Amino acid sequence: QKEVEQNSGPLSVPEGAIASLNCTYSDRGSQSFFWYRQYSGKSPELIMSIYSNGDKEDGRFTAQLNKASQYVSLLIRDSQPSDSATYLCAVLSGGNKLVFGAGTILRVKS
Amino acid sequence: GAGVSQTPSNKVTEKGKYVELRCDPISGHTALYWYRQSLGQGPEFLIYFQGTGAADDSGLPNDRFFAVRPEGSVSTLKIQRTERGDSAVYLCASSSTSGSTQYFGPGTRLTVL
Repeated sequence: QKEVEQNSGPLSVPEGAIASLNCTYSDRGSQSFFWYRQYSGKSPELIMSIYSNGDKEDGRFTAQLNKASQYVSLLIRDSQPSDSATYLCAVLSGGNKLVFGAGTILRVKS
Repeated sequence: GAGVSQTPSNKVTEKGKYVELRCDPISGHTALYWYRQSLGQGPEFLIYFQGTGAADDSGLPNDRFFAVRPEGSVSTLKIQRTERGDSAVYLCASSSTSGSTQYFGPGTRLTVL
C-alpha cells in the first residue's frame, strides 16, 4: 500500500463546476497535509495547507481533512480552464519530509 | 522576494559521467530539501538539510548520490557514475524552519543518455 494515494484521473469537469479531488494516507500519526498544483513542465506550487479536522477555505479552494478516516480532499469551486493541472496531495512525514501521492490530473473544459 | 532557484534548468549527460546540480534557497530559510520526480509520479524525497548538516538522507537511492550544504545556504546534489535510470526532474525546496511550508524551485531536468 502506498503511503499517499490519489486517483490519477484525468478528472474532467465543465467550466464553472465544482472539482473534487481526493487523497488517502496510511500514517495515522500524520499531522500536516498539503495540496500542491503542478502545471505541465513546471514545479509544484502550494495551494493549501491543513492541519486540523474540518474545512479550510481560501478563495475558490476548500481543503477538507478527516483524520479518523485518513482522508484529505480539495474542492475547487467555479472551476476555470486555468485550473487544469495536476494536483498533488502531500503529507508531512517524520516532521520534515513530504510524502506525495502520484497526483490527479484535472481538466476543466470551457 | 526571490524564490528558490536551481541551476542548470536542463542537464544532458552520458552514462557514467558525474553531474552537479545546484540549489539556492529562499534567503533566510534554514531547511532545504531535495526531491526527485519521474514522469507521472509525485516528487520523492531524497535528502533534508537543517543548516549545514544532512538531518535525513534516507531517500538517497544509493552511494552514487551525495549532497552538501557547506555554508547553510546553497546546496549541491552530486551524482557519480550516472545511469539512465537517474533521468528525472530534480527539485529543491526550502522552508523557514523544519516542518513549515516547503517552497519548490523550478527544478533541473536531468537526462542521462
